[in-house]
Amino acid sequence: NAGVTQTPKFQVLKTGQSMTLQCAQDMNHNSMYWYRQDPGMGLRLIYYSASEGTTDKGEVPNGYNVSRLNKREFSLRLESAAPSQTSVYFCASSEGLVGQETQYFGPGTRLLVL
Amino acid sequence: AQSVTQLGSHVSVSEGALVLLRCNYSSSVPPYLFWYVQYPNQGLQLLLKYTSAATLVKGINGFEAEFKKSETSFHLTKPSAHMSDAAEYFCAVSEASGYSTLTFGKGTMLLVSP
Repeated sequence: NAGVTQTPKFQVLKTGQSMTLQCAQDMNHNSMYWYRQDPGMGLRLIYYSASEGTTDKGEVPNGYNVSRLNKREFSLRLESAAPSQTSVYFCASSEGLVGQETQYFGPGTRLLVL
Repeated sequence: AQSVTQLGSHVSVSEGALVLLRCNYSSSVPPYLFWYVQYPNQGLQLLLKYTSAATLVKGINGFEAEFKKSETSFHLTKPSAHMSDAAEYFCAVSEASGYSTLTFGKGTMLLVSP
């Protein structure tokens, strides 16, 4: 039981490049989330998906797109990376209603945009 | 809108001393409250959560927290710190209204000295 997995673990991009962060969970959870973590800022929600086929914006969605490919997978895409998107990105999943159940986090993707 | 304030970005204690990490929340409806812990280079994991049952909540690794509605607080305590408790701790709130994302505090780094 791997829980929540994220790929890649680390990525360096140049300004303007695009990339997709992958996330998968094997716990049969309905809800999935993407957060970014910046020093002194805590975790901020980028997008979430309450169920397969639905996605909603979080606190900081600008510059990102997401796809809930199926119940297991939730990807985050940066179409044109900017230095301000340098951060650590965490994917999480939870059973049941959004925000009311324990969230299980992946190990994170460290992204550096030059 | 909901929000969380964690007092003190860093807290230092000696091994064996009491741990007290402070969290105050703001919510227009009854809240659900969570404490998560993040060890270096890892994702977050749940320590404990309050979901309107007992006001004193016990979690993993000897931690507990008390929900005090009158003070809008959910402080985290542990009677005796261990070196292994050194980590970053995040308080988070959601609204018990059926559909609410988590809002995280900015985190408190706990430093434990021998």
